[in-house]
Amino acid sequence: DQQVKQNSPSLSVQEGRISILNCDYTNSMFDYFLWYKKYPAEGPTFLISISSIKDKNEDGRFTVFLNKSAKHLSLHIVPSQPGDSAVYFCAASAPGNTGKLIFGQGTTLQVKP
Amino acid sequence: GAGVSQSPSNKVTEKGKDVELRCDPISGHTALYWYRQSLGQGLEFLIYFQGNSAPDKSGLPSDRFSAERTGGSVSTLTIQRTQQEDSAVYLCASSPQGQGTEAFFGQGTRLTVV
Repeated sequence: DQQVKQNSPSLSVQEGRISILNCDYTNSMFDYFLWYKKYPAEGPTFLISISSIKDKNEDGRFTVFLNKSAKHLSLHIVPSQPGDSAVYFCAASAPGNTGKLIFGQGTTLQVKP
Repeated sequence: GAGVSQSPSNKVTEKGKDVELRCDPISGHTALYWYRQSLGQGLEFLIYFQGNSAPDKSGLPSDRFSAERTGGSVSTLTIQRTQQEDSAVYLCASSPQGQGTEAFFGQGTRLTVV
C-alpha cells in the first residue's frame, strides 16, 4: 500500500521557468511533510518541510503548498536552475507513528539551460 | 565528521553470503532509520530506532534482514543468505528526535549480489 505517491516519474523544464512537483498521500493522520533532493551517488538532502497546521511554507526559491482536503502537496521551484536537476522525494510522518518517514517514489527533475 | 557516515560505500557479494552494513549517525541524534532504494524505485522503509523504544521493524522484507543499534549510536544492518533481489542502495538516516524533524542521510552503501 503506497501511502505517499508521486505519480510523475520525471519532469523537464526550461531554466528560469517554474518547476512544480506533486505528491499525494492517503493517510489523513499524516501531519508533517518534507521534500528531499537527491543527486546521483549521494544520500538525499533535506529541502523544505511543512506542518499540517499551515498551507504554505516558503524558503527562497522553494515553496511547498499543502492542501489537506485533497491530501495533496506540491513543491514549486522558481526560477528553476540547471543545478536543481535531481530526484525529488516527498515524505510524510504521522503522530504516534514513532516519527517514521514514509517516502514517495521520487520525481526526476531536469532543468535545461 | 559532522554527517551520517556509512560503510562500506560499495559492497559486492556472492549470492548466499551474509553482509553487514554499518551506520554512524550524527552524535546526539536519538532516531535512526534504514531505507533502501532499488534501481528505479523510491525509498523503501526498512527499520526505525528511536531512543530506548523497541525498534519499528515493520519494513524489513524478510527474516533474513535484521538490524541492531548498540549504545544508542552505531547501527548495523545484517542481511543473511543474500539474494540477487537484495541488490540496492541501503541508506541510513538520523534525526535529533522523532516525529516533526527532518532526517539527515548518509551517502548510502551500494550492495550488489552476484
